[in-house]
Amino acid sequence: DQQVKQNSPSLSVQEGRISILNCDYTNSMFDYFLWYKKYPAEGPTFLISISSIKDKNEDGRFTVFLNKSAKHLSLHIVPSQPGDSAVYFCAARSTGTASKLTFGTGTRLQVTL
Amino acid sequence: EAGVAQSPRYKIIEKRQSVAFWCNPISGHATLYWYQQILGQGPKLLIQFQNNGVVDDSQLPKDRFSAERLKGVDSTLKIQPAKLEDSAVYLCASSQWGLTYGYTFGSGTRLTVV
Repeated sequence: DQQVKQNSPSLSVQEGRISILNCDYTNSMFDYFLWYKKYPAEGPTFLISISSIKDKNEDGRFTVFLNKSAKHLSLHIVPSQPGDSAVYFCAARSTGTASKLTFGTGTRLQVTL
Repeated sequence: EAGVAQSPRYKIIEKRQSVAFWCNPISGHATLYWYQQILGQGPKLLIQFQNNGVVDDSQLPKDRFSAERLKGVDSTLKIQPAKLEDSAVYLCASSQWGLTYGYTFGSGTRLTVV
């Protein structure tokens, strides 16, 4: 039962353009969402998060949007840079589970020159 | 601050053998997690410790996996006996209690069972 889904395994974007990574979830008990970035041979690194009481959170080039009615969130990277090439994981926390996270399967982003 | 340390980085064993992984979390982080990441999938929580007590081990295959966190600091995850399907990256992470955004992962141990 995949409660957090990232339906695009890969995405290729030109440098300077916008990258949009999508994530869908099924569990209505999720109350906190995070995006992690992972380079090869390294552990995931926290990128940005959003609480379910908000619909947008911005941090520099990274913005996360949350649509609770559609159970959908997205990560926007503007402008995209070659160093953004990595695997991006969407993760969610369920209410009452403190800090346990459920991860999606990841989207590999490649930013080309 | 120093990150989450894990060792070894790589391990190859034959099925039915045993293996152990070690993790040293960030100093002061009370919560420690072990995640399993199978190729092509997202990380899956195996066990969560709060200090030296287990908070959640609902997805830990307890017939073959065990973990301990002595003195509430470093932790060891053991597999005995290993199966082919245990081939994965084992990630350790730590956080201050309740601070999900403070989740810091180590680089992981890549286990190959042949």
